[in-house]
Amino acid sequence: DAGVIQSPRHEVTEMGQEVTLRCKPISGHDYLFWYRQTMMRGLELLIYFNNNVPIDDSGMPEDRFSAKMPNASFSTLKIQPSEPRDSAVYFCASSPQRGTGYTFGSGTRLTVV
Amino acid sequence: DAKTTQPTSMDCAEGRAANLPCNHSTISGNEYVYWYRQIHSQGPQYIIHGLKNNETNEMASLIITEDRKSSTLILPHATLRDTAVYYCIVRLHYTGNQFYFGTGTSLTVIP
Repeated sequence: DAGVIQSPRHEVTEMGQEVTLRCKPISGHDYLFWYRQTMMRGLELLIYFNNNVPIDDSGMPEDRFSAKMPNASFSTLKIQPSEPRDSAVYFCASSPQRGTGYTFGSGTRLTVV
Repeated sequence: DAKTTQPTSMDCAEGRAANLPCNHSTISGNEYVYWYRQIHSQGPQYIIHGLKNNETNEMASLIITEDRKSSTLILPHATLRDTAVYYCIVRLHYTGNQFYFGTGTSLTVIP
């Protein structure tokens, strides 16, 4: 199993541009989570899905952020328009229905200039 | 709300046991204790979890006090590769409830 796969690993974009982050969860995992990590705020949960349905998006900072999971093997996190304060490492994680814990991807380091 | 308290940082000599404490005095009866770690520039990695009894796996041991208000993660023979931030988290097990990561303990293993 290749684990949770995120792309791209690094993204540098200009303020105002649209950014799309991608995640492929582990096959058979019913839960998918998007986290953001910064030095100031640590690891923050943004949104999570169960069986492709968004369950809790209360951590999404504002309307500029949106997430989708069109099928069990793919999810996207989109920021439009991006701002410098969105610079962070974004992690995707997946978990079985009654699993022992999450498996995290390697993250996408986003820099907005 | 992480519901746990951990020391900010700790050092441990290579080859010695690393004992990482965690206070979770408000834990409820059906909440589990989970431990994760995050090595620099990587995603968090699951280590171990438990409810009441002590647990051991190939990575570590988890000792939970009888009143469940605190626990200790033990790395029996720390190596330089164990240098990481260690997070202690309490959570209901059989739900999709998210993990709330606090600030964790930054463990440095010294040669």
